[in-house]
Amino acid sequence: QKEVEQNSGPLSVPEGAIASLNCTYSDRVSQSFFWYRQYSGKSPELIMSIYSNGDKEDGRFTAQLNKASQYVSLLIRDSQPSDSATYLCAPNQGGKLIFGQGTELSVKP
Amino acid sequence: KAGVTQTPRYLIKTRGQQVTLSCSPISGHRSVSWYQQTPGQGLQFLFEYFSETQRNKGNFPGRFSGRQFSNSRSEMNVSTLELGDSALYLCASSWDGTSDGYTFGSGTRLTVV
Repeated sequence: QKEVEQNSGPLSVPEGAIASLNCTYSDRVSQSFFWYRQYSGKSPELIMSIYSNGDKEDGRFTAQLNKASQYVSLLIRDSQPSDSATYLCAPNQGGKLIFGQGTELSVKP
Repeated sequence: KAGVTQTPRYLIKTRGQQVTLSCSPISGHRSVSWYQQTPGQGLQFLFEYFSETQRNKGNFPGRFSGRQFSNSRSEMNVSTLELGDSALYLCASSWDGTSDGYTFGSGTRLTVV
């Protein structure tokens, strides 16, 4: 079992729709969780961090964390073509980020 | 403020050689991590330094080593290069590695021939 698993892509949604990205992790040590966006040929960019169970909203992005279920998700509302990228989930084991394989999102105009 | 700076951007080396990559973190950040990114394996953690001490280490052979200086700048060294070491090497910095997220540099693209 991989330490971090994300829903396999590519995920294709129409412009204006909600994109839902999921991630499960196997360790019980991680206390903080991050979502990164990586455009092709670029380095990962931090878009959301979440530390407590529940929801955290930032603009069009909402991160959800359930530590008991070892599950974290990212919702992107009103998806735009500029959101097309690979999204990486990363639990933080005290300074050691464990990345999932990423979910490629394609937003069609 | 300035972001994370990695040098050089591109490197071509021959098998058996060694290479040193450099990373300057965001001012005030004390934690620096290194990652290897390849199409097949994705982003893999190499090691993390905090206040000049290696705090975390990934599952890479001893040919991969690093260090952090008193100004938080970090270097990564790979000795006896193999073809499989060809990858994008990313450095990331954080204030303390636990309470905030990491900011990544643009990376060093290493090609081993």
